[in-house]
Amino acid sequence: EAQVTQNPRYLITVTGKKLTVTCSQNMNHEYMSWYRQDPGLGLRQIYYSMNVEVTDKGDVPEGYKVSRKEKRNFPLILESPSPNQTSLYFCASGPGGSPLHFGNGTRLTVT
Amino acid sequence: GDSVTQMEGPVTLSEEAFLTINCTYTATGYPSLFWYVQYPGEGLQLLLKATKADDKGSNKGFEATYRKETTSFHLEKGSVQVSDSAVYFCALPGGRGGSYIPTFGRGTSLIVHP
Repeated sequence: EAQVTQNPRYLITVTGKKLTVTCSQNMNHEYMSWYRQDPGLGLRQIYYSMNVEVTDKGDVPEGYKVSRKEKRNFPLILESPSPNQTSLYFCASGPGGSPLHFGNGTRLTVT
Repeated sequence: GDSVTQMEGPVTLSEEAFLTINCTYTATGYPSLFWYVQYPGEGLQLLLKATKADDKGSNKGFEATYRKETTSFHLEKGSVQVSDSAVYFCALPGGRGGSYIPTFGRGTSLIVHP
């Protein structure tokens, strides 16, 4: 089954404690992206990747890192999380110009 | 650059009412257009798409027509159900900065009461 898998679904952490949200896709897509979704602000892109070892900043990259060492995986790293990074995060992948496939989301709370 | 403007929500309807969610876009050329739906607790999924002007996309009773002259792609459904309660996103597939970067509207929340 074609899918984008994010883990964990829920995460509660404290300020400053490094965390990683994993994302994996099984469709051999070149394009992958991370979004955060906040009430009233819609989807905002954090980082994206056009292919292995090719990543670029989206609209709200501050406080986040990503890596793309393999085509299927695109982890999101928060080196020192802060409360303003409390949000719902989505990973997505897709072939160029076509609809994206989204994961089911990771709800992060930073206290 | 590319942009998508959707009507603000929430849109609150009774079951069997007619639904319209407006979407207009600004883009270079004539791109494909998409509507995504996000059900509670889930990620976005493609609802329907249109790939060229005057195309009508349809799925699950929803329809949207790609109107080049008005740069619009309004979502409609003749009779909504409680199960249609969700957030709906209009989107362009790419084009920001000349690369494949999708552009999403802010989303419109639909609440359908029995």
